[in-house]
Amino acid sequence: QVQLQESGPGLVKPSETLSLTCDVSGDSASSYYWSWVRQPPGKGLEWIGYIYDTGYTVYNPSLKSRVTISLVTPNSRFSLRLTSLTAADTAVYYCARVLPAAIIDSWGRGILVTVSS
Amino acid sequence: NFILTQVHSVSESPGKTVTISCTRSSGSIDSNFVQWYQQRPGNSPTIVISETDLRPSGVPDRFSGAIDTSSNSASLFISGLRTEDEGDYYCQSYDSNNFWVFGDGTKLT
Repeated sequence: QVQLQESGPGLVKPSETLSLTCDVSGDSASSYYWSWVRQPPGKGLEWIGYIYDTGYTVYNPSLKSRVTISLVTPNSRFSLRLTSLTAADTAVYYCARVLPAAIIDSWGRGILVTVSS
Repeated sequence: NFILTQVHSVSESPGKTVTISCTRSSGSIDSNFVQWYQQRPGNSPTIVISETDLRPSGVPDRFSGAIDTSSNSASLFISGLRTEDEGDYYCQSYDSNNFWVFGDGTKLT
């Protein structure tokens, strides 16, 4: 069974850049989409973007100018980069594995990122 | 783009059946598949319905999904409610540009 684990800083200063990594283990046999989703404290889910194994990316239009999702190692590690942070970016960030038709079949445990000086 | 609107909260007794709805603001609800996710307090979401009405492996058959084109909405049905079903439920779909949209969630008590 696939497992995903987010890693990165828990505290970032305003205007700085957030870099998170997602490590994937347990299943490398097939091609998937890989995604980032965030959830501000006490609020709902917000899709950030996703990347296919070919490197093809799709981003949430509201975040597109600040987001980069990259494959570090296919089926093993991918990353999120979010620039020009503000307090509104404070959230739990989840990485996820995605099947066609936007089916998120596996989620990481999430990492809380707080943007504060 | 479109938004998916969910009622903020629902409450029902154990053993009963509850319906959670998700209304699409523009475009047809049957244009793209709808997924439903359960998020128990303090946990990551997990999928309970995929492709509008399919139950992934391991999800109890108490969970089912459907769409109603007349109201342009999708619904999640949970029968034989158990206390373990408490949590937040999110619908999710996508558009022709493959941009995803999540509903704002329904808290089930």
